[in-house]
Amino acid sequence: GAGVSQSPSNKVTEKGKDVELRCDPISGHTALYWYRQSLGQGLEFLIYFQGNSAPDKSGLPSDRFSAERTGGSVSTLTIQRTQQEDSAVYLCASSLVVFRTTSDTQYFGPGTRLTVL
Amino acid sequence: SQQGEEDPQALSIQEGENATMNCSYKTSINNLQWYRQNSGRGLVHLILIRSNEREKHSGRLRVTLDTSKKSSSLLITASRAADTASYFCATSSSGSARQLTFGSGTQLTVLP
Repeated sequence: GAGVSQSPSNKVTEKGKDVELRCDPISGHTALYWYRQSLGQGLEFLIYFQGNSAPDKSGLPSDRFSAERTGGSVSTLTIQRTQQEDSAVYLCASSLVVFRTTSDTQYFGPGTRLTVL
Repeated sequence: SQQGEEDPQALSIQEGENATMNCSYKTSINNLQWYRQNSGRGLVHLILIRSNEREKHSGRLRVTLDTSKKSSSLLITASRAADTASYFCATSSSGSARQLTFGSGTQLTVLP
């Protein structure tokens, strides 16, 4: 079916407000990832969901960041009390993880550009 | 933190020429992937090379991997203006972690 989709495509918010970013992975993909890309930089890993396992939150930069994945499909990344340094493009990816292999390709969504004023 | 360093940071060539980008990384890996990004948005997967492979081809792309030097190169042959984009290498480290660690990218400009 369709690729990974993300909404909104752009979000402008004021410092201190909370924001929610949404990701719809490719149907049937068991793994979902969130990354952040600051201007002119590479991607920074944030969080990883795989099936019903506890998520790997090791990349979250602070406790203001959290993410959920409901029903093993759609995911929401929430940033509370946004700061100007949170401004970045937030990218979601999904993959079909095949256990005992090391070759799962990640498919990326178009990203959400977040601007914190 | 970034796993890899890519060089050059920026590359400008004429259409028809070959473009070579290099990537170095720090830890043991399961595989290394190259992605392309247009206009700072979604990434497109180009090619994956496993740690036990040394070279891989896909169309006009050729990727090499030297695990002893912890480095990889991406060669785009007979470049086209449409190849203009940022190119990132990304590694999947040994162990159970599946998240990718990205390099800082090479901005390629192909002049018509």
